[in-house]
Amino acid sequence: DVVMTQSPLSLPVTLGQPASISCRSSQSLVYSDGNIYLSWFHQRPGQSPRRLIYKVSSRDSGVPDRFSGSGSGTDFTLIISRVEAEDVGVYYCMQGTHWPHSFGQGTKLEIK
Amino acid sequence: EVQLVQSGAEVKKPGESLRISCKGSGYSFANYWIGWVRQMPGKGLEWMGIIYPGDSDTKYSPSLQGQVTLSADTSISTAYLQWSSLKASDSAMYYCATYAVAGTGWFDPWGQGTLVTVSS
Repeated sequence: DVVMTQSPLSLPVTLGQPASISCRSSQSLVYSDGNIYLSWFHQRPGQSPRRLIYKVSSRDSGVPDRFSGSGSGTDFTLIISRVEAEDVGVYYCMQGTHWPHSFGQGTKLEIK
Repeated sequence: EVQLVQSGAEVKKPGESLRISCKGSGYSFANYWIGWVRQMPGKGLEWMGIIYPGDSDTKYSPSLQGQVTLSADTSISTAYLQWSSLKASDSAMYYCATYAVAGTGWFDPWGQGTLVTVSS
């Protein structure tokens, strides 16, 4: 099975400052169709997760452009250019290339 | 608008059976995979399995194979997650989520979640 490893697991950030979360997979996430099915999700306390980024770097509709995703192969990064109060919560990466699909452990972002 | 609406919270005793549901609307339910995700109290997201409602093709997480059953009824656009004999360790929030109708990949959107509590 593919193991997704996120770092850091806790991320205190000052409002207006950037934040970066790393996600590494135990094997390449390139699918047979050439796509990389790596997504990022955000879960606020008491809410369902919401997808932010799909296929490594494409933002979902309504997601602010301060969120960006990058990476290739086995190393991926979510960057928030300027953290706002509404960005608190837990961020998860997920691979949808290999069965079974799998999530990272989650990174908890909090405001300093 | 694509929506997934899940059934309400459940409180059960160990050994009891349970089926929770996830009703899709706003899209062709039969033609898109639906997945289930477990979140135990205070923990992260765990991928459980997925079902293609059109032909009931299913894929389970190896760690949960045999513990749960996924099914779907296309006539009422509803997917199900069921247990035949609950354990206390099944207490968790359960989410359903669909493969994106826009073809953008897995798990958008999600249902609101169903809280399952198993306690004697």
